Amino acid sequence: AQSVTQLDSHVSVSEGTPVLLRCNYSSSYSPSLFWYVQHPNKGLQLLLKYTSAATLVKGINGFEAEFKKSETSFHLTKPSAHMSDAAEYFCVVSDVGNTDKLIFGTGTRLQVFP
Amino acid sequence: GAVVSQHPSWVICKSGTSVKIECRSLDFQATTMFWYRQFPKQSLMLMATSNEGSKATYEQGVEKDKFLINHASLTLSTLTVTSAHPEDSSFYICSAPYLVRDEQYFGPGTRLTVT
Repeated sequence: AQSVTQLDSHVSVSEGTPVLLRCNYSSSYSPSLFWYVQHPNKGLQLLLKYTSAATLVKGINGFEAEFKKSETSFHLTKPSAHMSDAAEYFCVVSDVGNTDKLIFGTGTRLQVFP
Repeated sequence: GAVVSQHPSWVICKSGTSVKIECRSLDFQATTMFWYRQFPKQSLMLMATSNEGSKATYEQGVEKDKFLINHASLTLSTLTVTSAHPEDSSFYICSAPYLVRDEQYFGPGTRLTVT
């Protein structure tokens, strides 16, 4: 079965410093992986997705993630955090039989301090 | 652009009553929609897949008689929580696949509080 594990429930960074949110996946097949962001009182927004094309995926708002098959990882990074990046981030894998069916990780809350 | 809306955004109801939550795809059609439940500070758990013109598909452990899903049209799915109890209090989120961009669009969620 497909699953994702987000290794940190909380990450705190200072504004202007790099962000690293870690995610490991488990899949019997080549997975489709996503990162979503959830701001309070707003719908989930897709940051980026990996679908077996380039292993380094660039997303919105300066975020990017690298698919590493050897490490079964899909970590999310950003070179310089902004206050507006404070939110909940979810690593997500799509189901094998139905790619519209998404399986969410437990989430990482990112705090950004001035 | 493509958007998914939910109504209401929040609702408070008394134990034993039923509550209906609507999920609409705006500017695009969706033959399939998904309903999730999110407990405070936790992840989203898929409850069911709503299928236009046919029965919903429920995930293991989800009571289909308690969480009634109706996909009335290509732009509307409804989730009815029947005989609600305090333990049903949660944040309910729907999503719809936007095929043009091969992407899921999520609604803003509905917070249900059962007193």
